[in-house]
Amino acid sequence: EDQVTQSPEALRLQEGESSSLNCSYTVSGLRGLFWYRQDPGKGPEFLFTLYSAGEEKEKERLKATLTKKESFLHITAPKPEDSATYLCAVQEPGGYNKLIFGAGTRLAVHP
Amino acid sequence: EAQVTQNPRYLITVTGKKLTVTCSQNMNHEYMSWYRQDPGLGLRQIYYSMNVEVTDKGDVPEGYKVSRKEKRNFPLILESPSPNQTSLYFCASSSRVGNQPQHFGDGTRLSIL
Repeated sequence: EDQVTQSPEALRLQEGESSSLNCSYTVSGLRGLFWYRQDPGKGPEFLFTLYSAGEEKEKERLKATLTKKESFLHITAPKPEDSATYLCAVQEPGGYNKLIFGAGTRLAVHP
Repeated sequence: EAQVTQNPRYLITVTGKKLTVTCSQNMNHEYMSWYRQDPGLGLRQIYYSMNVEVTDKGDVPEGYKVSRKEKRNFPLILESPSPNQTSLYFCASSSRVGNQPQHFGDGTRLSIL
C-alpha cells in the first residue's frame, strides 16, 4: 500500500534556527510530490511541486528537495510567521489527480 | 480572485439528520475532490470527480454521496450522518492538465452528536 510518512510530528524552533522537515514515501512511479502549508482554520496552501529526484525548488526561506524515496523541506532562518503545519502529498500514477497525504509536521517558531 | 468556497464553515447536528456541504470553484477546473482531515491521519480522499457527471470513490467513501451536475459545484451529501463522520472536511479543485496542484477551500468543521 502506498504510504507517506512525515517527521517529526512537531517541531519547535527559535527564530533564526534552521532545520529540515522530512517526507518519506513508498509510491512507485511517482508522478509528483507536493508541499502545502496549512494555517489554523484554513485549507492547505500550495507551496511546491517536485517531479524527479535531484530537483529543488525555493521560495523565500523554504527550499524543497527530492530523492527517490524522500523529500525534505529546509527552513532557513525561520521567523514566527513560518509557524504552521506543513503537509506533504504524493500523486499516484494513473489517470487522475489522486493525492496521498502525510499527517503533517506542526512547526512552531518562537521569537 | 481564484477561490474554492465551502459552506457552511461550521455545523453541529444530530445523528441521522441529512446534511449537504456545498463546494464551488471559480477556476473552471475539471477535477474536484472531497477530503476529510482527522488528527494523526492526514487528509483522506472521500470522493472525486473528473468532470461533469463523472464521479468515483476515494479511500473513505462509506456514508457519503456526491454529485457533479455543473462544472463549478461539487456538493458532499451525508444522508444519515453518524458520530464517526465528525471531522474537518475540505473540498479541492485542479486542472486536469499535467500535474497541477490542487486548490483547497477553507474547510467545514462538522460535529455529529
